[in-house]
Amino acid sequence: DAMVIQNPRYQVTQFGKPVTLSCSQTLNHNVMYWYQQKSSQAPKLLFHYYDKDFNNEADTPDNFQSRRPNTSFCFLDIRSPGLGDAAMYLCATSRDRGPETQYFGPGTRLLVL
Amino acid sequence: AQSVTQLGSHVSVSEGALVLLRCNYSSSVPPYLFWYVQYPNQGLQLLLKYTTGATLVKGINGFEAEFKKSETSFHLTKPSAHMSDAAEYFCAVTSNSGYSTLTFGKGTMLLVSP
Repeated sequence: DAMVIQNPRYQVTQFGKPVTLSCSQTLNHNVMYWYQQKSSQAPKLLFHYYDKDFNNEADTPDNFQSRRPNTSFCFLDIRSPGLGDAAMYLCATSRDRGPETQYFGPGTRLLVL
Repeated sequence: AQSVTQLGSHVSVSEGALVLLRCNYSSSVPPYLFWYVQYPNQGLQLLLKYTTGATLVKGINGFEAEFKKSETSFHLTKPSAHMSDAAEYFCAVTSNSGYSTLTFGKGTMLLVSP
C-alpha cells in the first residue's frame, strides 16, 4: 500500500543534542510537510517542500531545518533541542498544494531530557 | 487570512446517540474545508472534504458534513455514535488562491460512553 512512513516512532534526545527525524513516502507526491503538534493542540506547520522548493513558515524557529534529498525522503533536523521542543512531529504529503488532501504519517514523538 | 474555530474542546455522547462537532471558518476567498480524525499516538486521517459542488459531503465511517456559506460553518455529524469513534477531530481550511496551506482548528475530543 502506498503510504507515509516515519522513523522512529519514538525518539529520546538530550537537551542541546542534535536530532534528525525522517519521513518517506511511496505516493510520489510533489509536496511534503512537517508539522509540530503539542499535547492537546492543533498541528502547527513548520515548513513544506514543493518538489525541491523549500517554504519556511514565518514563525518557525531557526533551530528547525529540513532537507529533501529526493522525492521520497524528507528530514527534520533540530539543531539544539530544548525542553519546549518535546512534541509529536507529523510528516504529511500531498499531490499538489492548495485544496489537495494531505496524507499523514503516524508521527514521531520526541522527548527531550 | 484563514482561521477555524471549533466550538467545544470536548464533546461527550452515549453510544448510539447523534454526534455533532461544530466548525466555523473565516476566509477571504472561497474556502476548501476538511475534517480529519486522529486516534491516540497516530497521524491524522481524512474523514471528508468540501471543495466545490454539493454542499453535503459524505465521508468515511458514516460521517457527513454540510458546507453552509451563509453561516460560515462546516459542522460534522454522524447519526449514531460508536465506541470506535472516540478520537480527536480537527477541522481545517485552505483555499485555491495561489499558494495556500492548511489551517487547523484546535480540535475536539469526542468521548463515547456505553
